Amino acid sequence: QVQLQESGPGLVKPSETLSLTCTVSAGSINSHYWSWVRQPPGKGLEWIGYIYYSGSTNYSPSLKSRVTISIDTSKNQFSLRLSSVTTADTAVYYCTRGTRGGTTPFDYWGQGALVTVSS
Amino acid sequence: DIQMTQSPSTLSASVGDRVTITCRASQSISSWLAWYQQEPGKAPKFLIYKASSLESGVPSRFSGSGSGTEFTLTISSLQPDDFATYYCQQYNSNPLTFGGGTKVEIK
Repeated sequence: QVQLQESGPGLVKPSETLSLTCTVSAGSINSHYWSWVRQPPGKGLEWIGYIYYSGSTNYSPSLKSRVTISIDTSKNQFSLRLSSVTTADTAVYYCTRGTRGGTTPFDYWGQGALVTVSS
Repeated sequence: DIQMTQSPSTLSASVGDRVTITCRASQSISSWLAWYQQEPGKAPKFLIYKASSLESGVPSRFSGSGSGTEFTLTISSLQPDDFATYYCQQYNSNPLTFGGGTKVEIK
C-alpha cells in the first residue's frame, strides 16, 4: 500500500518561503502524477499543483506566481515551495497521488502537515 | 475555473437514515467527478470516481450518480463511521477544484 508522508517546518514567518517534502514509500514515484492540496483551518480543500516524474508541472493559476513543485526520483520524494507567504497561507498541506494522468482524482493522501504563518 | 457548489453545507441525520448530498458544477464536467470523506483531523479518503464508480474497499452503501453539471452522493443507510464531511472534486479540467463540503452530523 502506497504511503505518503509530509515533512518540513511547522512555522514560517510572513514574506518567507514555505518548504515541504513528501516521501513516497511502498511504491515508486516513477509513475502517476503527484499533487499538493491544502486546507486552511476550518475550511475546504484547495489544489495547489502537480508534478510528473519527468518533471513536468501544472500549477493553480491563483498560486502559480509563488509556487514551485520539484521531484527527486532517486529519493522517491517531491517537494513544495511557496514564496512570499502571508497568514492566508496558514493551512494543513497534503501531498497526494493522482490516480491516472494529471487531471485526476487523488487516491492516496499523506496525513497532512500544519504550516502556520506567523511572526 | 470551474466552480463546485455543494448542498446542503450541513446535514443532520440519524443512524440508518438515507442521506443525499448534491454537488453542482458551474459548467459541464461530463462524469469527471470524485467524492471524498474527511473525518476530523484526518486526510480525505477517496470514495468515488467518474461520478459513480466505487473505489475499492468502499462500502456499497455509498453510491454516486449524475453527469454534466449535477451530481449526488447517497449513503443508503447511515452508519456511525459515516458522520464526517464530504467533498466533491471535478477533474474535467485544470485547475482541479473542490466543493465547499457537506458536514453530516448526528441528529
